Amino acid sequence: SAVISQKPSRDICQRGTSLTIQCQVDSQVTMMFWYRQQPGQSLTLIATANQGSEATYESGFVIDKFPISRPNLTFSTLTVSNMSPEDSSIYLCSVDNRDLTSGSYNEQFFGPGTRLTVL
Amino acid sequence: AQKVTQAQTEISVVEKEDVTLDCVYETRDTTYYLFWYKQPPSGELVFLIRRNSFDEQNEISGRYSWNFQKSTSSFNFTITASQVVDSAVYFCALSEASMNRDDKIIFGKGTRLHILP
Repeated sequence: SAVISQKPSRDICQRGTSLTIQCQVDSQVTMMFWYRQQPGQSLTLIATANQGSEATYESGFVIDKFPISRPNLTFSTLTVSNMSPEDSSIYLCSVDNRDLTSGSYNEQFFGPGTRLTVL
Repeated sequence: AQKVTQAQTEISVVEKEDVTLDCVYETRDTTYYLFWYKQPPSGELVFLIRRNSFDEQNEISGRYSWNFQKSTSSFNFTITASQVVDSAVYFCALSEASMNRDDKIIFGKGTRLHILP
């Protein structure tokens, strides 16, 4: 199994500022994802963090608002830019070690999340 | 398009009762994966099970069991002899298993389970 850590675990930020969330995995993984969980809601995928290339964003999410980096197979960052109170959520990093030849899954693991409050 | 429906928003049962959480999914693919995750009040997401579409065998793990029925596109989760520690939000999820790098897990809205002492 993969052990995932996220920094910070929580933060309170002012409107208009930006916050970068880090995700570190203890082993090399094929896929890394960023999810958002708004209060009392389910998880929504923001983007797939691709190693060495631009992230793939889901409908409703754009790079200017949520820039993502993935410099290697164990690390990724998500920045929440120009924050507003509507960005208050838990942000979760997720990884899986899918075999890209066969398409078979191992498991998909989630980090502990970053609880963001925007005032 | 993929879709996961958890019709039960919230369930309360008394400790030691059995409880079943429903999950109905939609997908165009013949190959896919289904998941259940638990999110306790502490917030972390705990993986419970992954089942691929070719394996319709029901699974039992301790007090947990899962009933996968392709004919009704359902993947229901039963907790037997529930305990207070089972109180959490439970998410059912679906992923289409192609070679596409961008395949993703789609989550249902979750069922909040309260186990009353």
